[in-house]
Amino acid sequence: EPEVTQTPSHQVTQMGQEVILRCVPISNHLYFYWYRQILGQKVEFLVSFYNNEISEKSEIFDDQFSVERPDGSNFTLKIRSTKLEDSAMYFCASSQGLDTDTQYFGPGTRLTVL
Amino acid sequence: AQSVTQPDIHITVSEGASLELRCNYSYGATPYLFWYVQSPGQGLQLLLKYFSGDTLVQGIKGFEAEFKRSQSSFNLRKPSVHWSDAAEYFCAVGARGGGSNYKLTFGKGTLLTVNP
Repeated sequence: EPEVTQTPSHQVTQMGQEVILRCVPISNHLYFYWYRQILGQKVEFLVSFYNNEISEKSEIFDDQFSVERPDGSNFTLKIRSTKLEDSAMYFCASSQGLDTDTQYFGPGTRLTVL
Repeated sequence: AQSVTQPDIHITVSEGASLELRCNYSYGATPYLFWYVQSPGQGLQLLLKYFSGDTLVQGIKGFEAEFKRSQSSFNLRKPSVHWSDAAEYFCAVGARGGGSNYKLTFGKGTLLTVNP
């Protein structure tokens, strides 16, 4: 069964450094998403992406964040200058794009900012 | 704005016992409702979803959920729990965004422990 994959599983970085989290969505999917979960808190929507542009973003997704689909398979989330409060589990998801389609989630990348 | 409340942070049941996990939502329009399960080290796996139609929805692994509009609830049930059901369960509401996609708003999750 096809699945969403994410790398790395755990990323440790220093405050102020740039990080890129990588995701490989399911191959025939058209919509891509990033969510995050700060430890002990809810899973929160960050951004959705379709047709090479952002469809919707939350207020969390400020200028420090960007997303990109650099080729036909990868979907990345970049944080330009990490803050301590960016420490969280980041989940990538994808869906085919129809109204009632399921969002399939990857296993997540745990980002730790020191 | 939409929101989801899962009142139970942690539930413990014995194997073979019945299970009900509670979920209440707030959303101004007809909601898309979901239950996801997360095992340690795994991603979020969809158990079931409700978009319209029959308010009793069947999912994978023997789970079902009932949408009750009058109570703004979407509780998850299973008649007989197995040890492998131990995991964290998330209820979510989907809100339509641009195009035909939707964003999910999650509850804080309910951790299920199953005693032998």
